[in-house]
Amino acid sequence: DTGVSQDPRHKITKRGQNVTFRCDPISEHNRLYWYRQTLGQGPEFLTYFQNEAQLEKSRLLSDRFSAERPKGSFSTLEIQRTEQGDSAMYLCASSRTMGTQYFGPGTRLTVL
Amino acid sequence: GQQVMQIPQYQHVQEGEDFTTYCNSSTTLSNIQWYKQRPGGHPVFLIQLVKSGEVKKQKRLTFQFGEAKKNSSLHITATQTTDVGTYFCAGLGGGSNYKLTFGKGTLLTVNP
Repeated sequence: DTGVSQDPRHKITKRGQNVTFRCDPISEHNRLYWYRQTLGQGPEFLTYFQNEAQLEKSRLLSDRFSAERPKGSFSTLEIQRTEQGDSAMYLCASSRTMGTQYFGPGTRLTVL
Repeated sequence: GQQVMQIPQYQHVQEGEDFTTYCNSSTTLSNIQWYKQRPGGHPVFLIQLVKSGEVKKQKRLTFQFGEAKKNSSLHITATQTTDVGTYFCAGLGGGSNYKLTFGKGTLLTVNP
């Protein structure tokens, strides 16, 4: 399978814990995006990488959130001191420059 | 900021009936994209519309982009049970060539 992959698919954590998610984009895609989706809503843009450079961060991304794409390939999204309001599906997408965004299966986070 | 509204939020039809979802942006878009998300799944790209007044067809699906490039619609003829899912429009605009703004989606259910 050469699509976007995400790991883990599900994560249950207690409030206050840190969590980290991984995204592996389609190999030739230089752009990588993180979105968050809650029930009954469309995906909301969180952040965007062009190769290894993080070029935009949404206001939704508080200082507890950090994303990296160290070698311009896979990316990680870390949430520190999780809160119940962080419970959501975290979606990763990738694309070529100006190309269609292809989404991964998502990581469903539940904060107890 | 840019907002994308989508109606209706839900639509339940009998198999064989037609279905339409409408999308309206607060700002002029450079393009609009449509995605389908099956229950428990992730958004899957359907199509992209770029030109004012553009109409594209995919089998029973017809997509339109308004003359002012602020609204769009998706029409499904003779729905089938396989059409079940949430249909999202996502606009690209506001000077960004990568940041998609999604509508809340229309959840389509089909009674066999």
